[in-house]
Amino acid sequence: AQRVTQPEKLLSVFKGAPVELKCNYSYSGSPELFWYVQYSRQRLQLLLRHISRESIKGFTADLNKGETSFHLKKPFAQEEDSAMYYCALSGYHYNNNDMRFGAGTRLTVKP
Amino acid sequence: ETGVTQSPTHLIKTRGQQVTLRCSSQSGHNTVSWYQQALGQGPQFIFQYYREEENGRGNFPPRFSGLQFPNYSSELNVNALELDDSALYLCASTPDRGFYNEQFFGPGTRLTVL
Repeated sequence: AQRVTQPEKLLSVFKGAPVELKCNYSYSGSPELFWYVQYSRQRLQLLLRHISRESIKGFTADLNKGETSFHLKKPFAQEEDSAMYYCALSGYHYNNNDMRFGAGTRLTVKP
Repeated sequence: ETGVTQSPTHLIKTRGQQVTLRCSSQSGHNTVSWYQQALGQGPQFIFQYYREEENGRGNFPPRFSGLQFPNYSSELNVNALELDDSALYLCASTPDRGFYNEQFFGPGTRLTVL
């Protein structure tokens, strides 16, 4: 069964500190992993996806199949990074049926 | 391409009633997915439509049904409402071109069942 676990509901760091939001998954096949973000009073939007191997707004995430993890990292957090972050998994590379989301982590970056 | 709209914004119903939620996505977005997001939880996949056909379904009972229309609009219908159906309902569309699985979310409809 597909499952996404985000162990931290809340995470608070100071501006300029490194931040890591944890995501673990369970899936028997080859998953596609995503991070979605929701800023205050905005809609949910895609932050990055593992297949692109890109850095967005200074964030990166590496898929570790051995540890079944897809942690989101940023070396120097900014106040504007404060938001709700959701890790998501899709079991298909086509048609995107059944996207599973974690419960989310609320990141607060303090000045 | 963030032009997904949903209506209404808020809705209050009583147990046992039926509700229809609407979503409108952009031209070229032939895939639409619906999610239920309970308070403090991540979105849960209800179902997905592609070119007016159901293309996948999550663990929701048959009283949750949907329709997709050729004009890029879609509906989520819920019959025999239960208190636990109170949640934020999100629709998300995926363009035919671009990255697979990149979904563009609407702002959601907040449903309260009393």
